[in-house]
Amino acid sequence: AQSVTQLDSQVPVFEEAPVELRCNYSSSVSVYLFWYVQYPNQGLQLLLKYLSGSTLVKGINGFEAEFNKSQTSFHLRKPSVHISDTAEYFCAVRGLGGAQKLVFGQGTRLTINP
Amino acid sequence: DTGVSQNPRHKITKRGQNVTFRCDPISEHNRLYWYRQTLGQGPEFLTYFQNEAQLEKSRLLSDRFSAERPKGSFSTLEIQRTEQGDSAMYLCASRTGSLNSPLHFGNGTRLTVT
Repeated sequence: AQSVTQLDSQVPVFEEAPVELRCNYSSSVSVYLFWYVQYPNQGLQLLLKYLSGSTLVKGINGFEAEFNKSQTSFHLRKPSVHISDTAEYFCAVRGLGGAQKLVFGQGTRLTINP
Repeated sequence: DTGVSQNPRHKITKRGQNVTFRCDPISEHNRLYWYRQTLGQGPEFLTYFQNEAQLEKSRLLSDRFSAERPKGSFSTLEIQRTEQGDSAMYLCASRTGSLNSPLHFGNGTRLTVT
């Protein structure tokens, strides 16, 4: 079984500042890792994914994340945020067997202040 | 790619009534998932279909819940004798059978049980 812990429930930052949203996971098997963004009253949109290869992955909207196997982390970063980045962000893991279902963290609400 | 479509977007019902939601996945996707999301939480897995076969169900899916995917295309989720605790956003997602295929989510159906 897999589990995901998002260490911050809310992160307020000023516009154009850098941001890091933290994610740690637990799994007894190899996993794929994902970050999704959810805007109010909408479904989830894929930001980026780590499957294999380079541990630094780049996604949409200027976001990137780094996979750290030894620390079982997959933190999301953006060097300069915009008002439009205000949303809920979810880290998720997927095991490679069975239903290959996504297991989500509880989410981090990113609020960008002008 | 028309995306995953869910209907209705919103449903308000009285406790004890039955409700049914529909999900139309992306046409070439043979894997279909249902999730439930309550306020301030990440989505929780409910059930999974591969083509028309329901291969996994969460223990969250009580006997009042039933899901079908009769022809391996659209899916329905029915809740019988609704309870106030069933109030949540119900999300549908789909993907191809490729191991590295990400989940694509619909915009969800928000259920309010009064």
